[in-house]
Amino acid sequence: GAVVSQHPSRVICKSGTSVKIECRSLDFQATTMFWYRQFPKQSLMLMATSNEGSKATYEQGVEKDKFLINHASLTLSTLTVTSAHPEDSSFYICSARWRTGVGNEQFFGPGTRLTVL
Amino acid sequence: AQTVTQSQPEMSVQEAETVTLSCTYDTSESDYYLFWYKQPPSRQMILVIRQEAYKQQNATENRFSVNFQKAAKSFSLKISDSQLGDAAMYFCAYRGSGGSNYKLTFGKGTLLTVNP
Repeated sequence: GAVVSQHPSRVICKSGTSVKIECRSLDFQATTMFWYRQFPKQSLMLMATSNEGSKATYEQGVEKDKFLINHASLTLSTLTVTSAHPEDSSFYICSARWRTGVGNEQFFGPGTRLTVL
Repeated sequence: AQTVTQSQPEMSVQEAETVTLSCTYDTSESDYYLFWYKQPPSRQMILVIRQEAYKQQNATENRFSVNFQKAAKSFSLKISDSQLGDAAMYFCAYRGSGGSNYKLTFGKGTLLTVNP
């Protein structure tokens, strides 16, 4: 149990276009989902925290208008990278908090590799 | 703000041997959680072990165990009988307890190589 999926796993887009990444908790309800960004050989950097039915809370330095997050249901959160540029190329990982799990466990999706040409 | 420090960017171990990965953290909270996550080449984050700060007993999961020293704010991971499949990036992470603060703070990671 406690599986988190992400779609797509890889995406290549042209500069200036928008890309949407989906994060789904498949077998549990996730009141909170987190979005991370990871550059090669680096750690995970938290971008934002999203709670179902409310606006996301962004970490300092993360552009709200560039990285739009929507947490429409207890099993789905989306990250939209708007007007993507090559510097947005990165590995994006979501995680979902299982509110009834031990210690409010976070489970991670497999990640999405975004390449902006 | 909490910080997590992993002072070993890379470590290597011979298959079947034991290796210890270091982690220190800084916090003013008295209750919190500490985690070790494994990220293999697939980049899927996998929880290795969890430690609740209020528990004095060190957590153990099969070949993985921790040495939790609360006063020293140290949280090291010991991998016994290392296997080739243990090769991965290992991240130490901190999470506060209670309220809405479920955010994880990660260290920079330690890349573990297992030599046959």
